[in-house]
Amino acid sequence: GEDVEQSLFLSVREGDSSVINCTYTDSSSTYLYWYKQEPGAGLQLLTYIFSNMDMKQDQRLTVLLNKKDKHLSLRIADTQTGDSAIYFCAESKRSSYKLIFGSGTRLLVRP
Amino acid sequence: DAGVIQSPRHEVTEMGQEVTLRCKPISGHDYLFWYRQTMMRGLELLIYFNNNVPIDDSGMPEDRFSAKMPNASFSTLKIQPSEPRDSAVYFCASRTVEELFFGEGSRLTVL
Repeated sequence: GEDVEQSLFLSVREGDSSVINCTYTDSSSTYLYWYKQEPGAGLQLLTYIFSNMDMKQDQRLTVLLNKKDKHLSLRIADTQTGDSAIYFCAESKRSSYKLIFGSGTRLLVRP
Repeated sequence: DAGVIQSPRHEVTEMGQEVTLRCKPISGHDYLFWYRQTMMRGLELLIYFNNNVPIDDSGMPEDRFSAKMPNASFSTLKIQPSEPRDSAVYFCASRTVEELFFGEGSRLTVL
């Protein structure tokens, strides 16, 4: 089936690391994505990982993929107040090009 | 490239009126998607096109919704007649093999 799940809310202090988690159900997924949405804006692609990779790092962002457990995480190092937003996890399948999104995790960064 | 361009950004209309939302994808992208975002249902895929041909419209809520892509640089999503429950943010997105890019969205309010 198609189901991507995320926790709804995460609160961290500025300067700490944030870890946002996601689980998915479809083992045929080829790419897994993280998007960021700020209030009133569209979804901004942050990073993505191909299903044959375990980890991808891009500046402050680290994506970890555990295919066995169908678990994806996004770690944001040195979290800033500007990182406060909703973060969406999404999966894309080999058989089609559509992305299925989770419900989003609202990250609140406290000064 | 200017990114995915949507219009109008905001639309307020009365129940029963026809609504047309427009999208210009990124040049060279073969896939175009229409998503709807609401608080209750999150991000839902409505329909997507490949090379201007509709591939999967299983997410279109009902016959009041229709989408067209007459050429590679333009798509419309039409709601006729509109109802208050159609109030949402409608996103258009286009993609390469790896990356999906969203427009800023059209916020629709049906009174």
